[in-house]
Amino acid sequence: GENVEQHPSTLSVQEGDSAVIKCTYSDSASNYFPWYKQELGKRPQLIIDIRSNVGEKKDQRIAVTLNKTAKHFSLHITETQPEDSAVYFCAASPETFGNEKLTFGTGTRLTIIP
Amino acid sequence: EAQVTQNPRYLITVTGKKLTVTCSQNMNHEYMSWYRQDPGLGLRQIYYSMNVEVTDKGDVPEGYKVSRKEKRNFPLILESPSPNQTSLYFCASSLSSGSYEQYFGPGTRLTVT
Repeated sequence: GENVEQHPSTLSVQEGDSAVIKCTYSDSASNYFPWYKQELGKRPQLIIDIRSNVGEKKDQRIAVTLNKTAKHFSLHITETQPEDSAVYFCAASPETFGNEKLTFGTGTRLTIIP
Repeated sequence: EAQVTQNPRYLITVTGKKLTVTCSQNMNHEYMSWYRQDPGLGLRQIYYSMNVEVTDKGDVPEGYKVSRKEKRNFPLILESPSPNQTSLYFCASSLSSGSYEQYFGPGTRLTVT
């Protein structure tokens, strides 16, 4: 089955700086890669996703890049703000299967230092 | 308001005492799923359902049961809870089993002593 590794497990960044979280996956059939954000004590929420027919996707201060050859994808947050502090999870699945084969990474706790 | 609800939110129980965690969604979603979240392990799928009366095992199904008799409800049943099932449980739903955004419930923190 799919194995998703996520790094780093914790990340501290000065407010205003950029943060990068990286994930690698093992199954070459995976082609759907969502990112979920979980604030302290809250439920996970989708913040951005990418499918294998694109290499990069942006949504305001958040971007995700995908390298299918190397089997890795990354989340980039620019101009970080205190409200970006949360745990971020990457995930991967074969799009033909979708959510029933979605495998999550172990999470990155991002702390924004004011 | 579109939402996924879970009950109870917190539960402390003893080994072997059967319990049910309810999950309900009001978005007419076909797909529902249960995850457990443990420190350092991320979210692991327990069971999922692609539609009414259609359920299947996820990655960690041992010790759990589910049913999907109605589209909106997907209860998680622990017939004989054990301490290793102490965890934070999330129910989620999405439009279908394709690669769609999953909407998570608020979570149920279960402690088995």
